[in-house]
Amino acid sequence: AQSVTQPDIHITVSEGASLELRCNYSYGATPYLFWYVQSPGQGLQLLLKYFSGDTLVQGIKGFEAEFKRSQSSFNLRKPSVHWSDAAEYFCAVGSNDYKLSFGAGTTVTVRA
Amino acid sequence: NAGVTQTPKFQVLKTGQSMTLQCAQDMNHEYMSWYRQDPGMGLRLIHYSVGAGITDQGEVPNGYNVSRSTTEDFPLRLLSAAPSQTSVYFCASSYRTSSPYNEQFFGPGTRLTVL
Repeated sequence: AQSVTQPDIHITVSEGASLELRCNYSYGATPYLFWYVQSPGQGLQLLLKYFSGDTLVQGIKGFEAEFKRSQSSFNLRKPSVHWSDAAEYFCAVGSNDYKLSFGAGTTVTVRA
Repeated sequence: NAGVTQTPKFQVLKTGQSMTLQCAQDMNHEYMSWYRQDPGMGLRLIHYSVGAGITDQGEVPNGYNVSRSTTEDFPLRLLSAAPSQTSVYFCASSYRTSSPYNEQFFGPGTRLTVL
């Protein structure tokens, strides 16, 4: 069975600073990897996804993620955060039977 | 398109009561699923469906029933509510093709409290 670990429960970053959120996955086959964002009181929105090809993936809102097979990681990055990036971020791994397994999430706080 | 809609947004139940959480999508998606979200645990899959008339269990199915009589609707039933079912419930849908790579679209959630 697949699983996802997000080591950081909470990250605080200054507006304009860079952000990196860590994600490690466990899956026996080639993984389908996703990052979702959840704003307070809202549902989840897809930021980006990866299955194959270029290991650096661009997403919406200026986010990117890099797949590193040797480290079983799929870390999310943004060069310069905005106050509107304050949210909870979830990494997920999908399997061939269409099931998604989510990490516990990382809450990002942006300070002025 | 309304996307994925869920009703109600909030619900308070007493232990032992039953209720149905509604989920509907207007995108003609074949795949639909229910998750529960609990603090520090992310989202966990309860049940899912790959098409009308087909359902299957996810990671935490106990205490929940589902059915899929139409493509659009995927209700989640709590037969006898327990305090452990206090959670936020999300419904999601996606196209089902030969690849599970498709984006899942999430509803706004239902916040359920069981006393």
